Amino acid sequence: AQSVTQLGSHVSVSEGALVLLRCNYSSSVPPYLFWYVQYPNQGLQLLLKYTTGATLVKGINGFEAEFKKSETSFHLTKPSAHMSDAAEYFCAVSDGIWGGSNYKLTFGKGTLLTVNP
Amino acid sequence: DTGVSQDPRHKITKRGQNVTFRCDPISEHNRLYWYRQTLGQGPEFLTYFQNEAQLEKSRLLSDRFSAERPKGSFSTLEIQRTEQGDSAMYLCASREATGGRNEQFFGPGTRLTVL
Repeated sequence: AQSVTQLGSHVSVSEGALVLLRCNYSSSVPPYLFWYVQYPNQGLQLLLKYTTGATLVKGINGFEAEFKKSETSFHLTKPSAHMSDAAEYFCAVSDGIWGGSNYKLTFGKGTLLTVNP
Repeated sequence: DTGVSQDPRHKITKRGQNVTFRCDPISEHNRLYWYRQTLGQGPEFLTYFQNEAQLEKSRLLSDRFSAERPKGSFSTLEIQRTEQGDSAMYLCASREATGGRNEQFFGPGTRLTVL
């Protein structure tokens, strides 16, 4: 079974400050890892993903995340927060085994990011 | 690529009524997923189709829930005898076959309110 833990249900930063959203996962097989963003009353939009290869992945809107297998972490960062980054962020894991996998996503509970002017 | 669409976007119903939601995936995506998201929680997996075959159902999917994907195109999710605990956002996602872009594309969701 897979699971995701997002530390901090609510993170508040000032505009221009560093954004750090934490995600730890548990998986018995090589994982695929994802960060999604959700704006109020909307669906989920993919920010970035790790499947294989480079452990530092860059996504849209200046976000990036680093896969650290030894720490079972996939924390999301952005050097400088913008007001438009205010939203809910979800970390998710699926198994990365080809053949027989259904690739269903297991999500964390989410972190609400507030950006103060 | 017009994205994943869901209909309706909002549904308000009285307890005990039946409701049906529709999802149109991205064309040529053979994998389709339904998730449920309650307030303050992340989405939870409900069920998965590969083409027209329903290959996995979560234990969250009680007997009152049924999903279909005739001809491997659009999908419907029906809830019979709705309960207040069914109030949630129902999200649909689709994905290419194995490999590809290795990501699920989500629709805007259907928000269900059971009075």
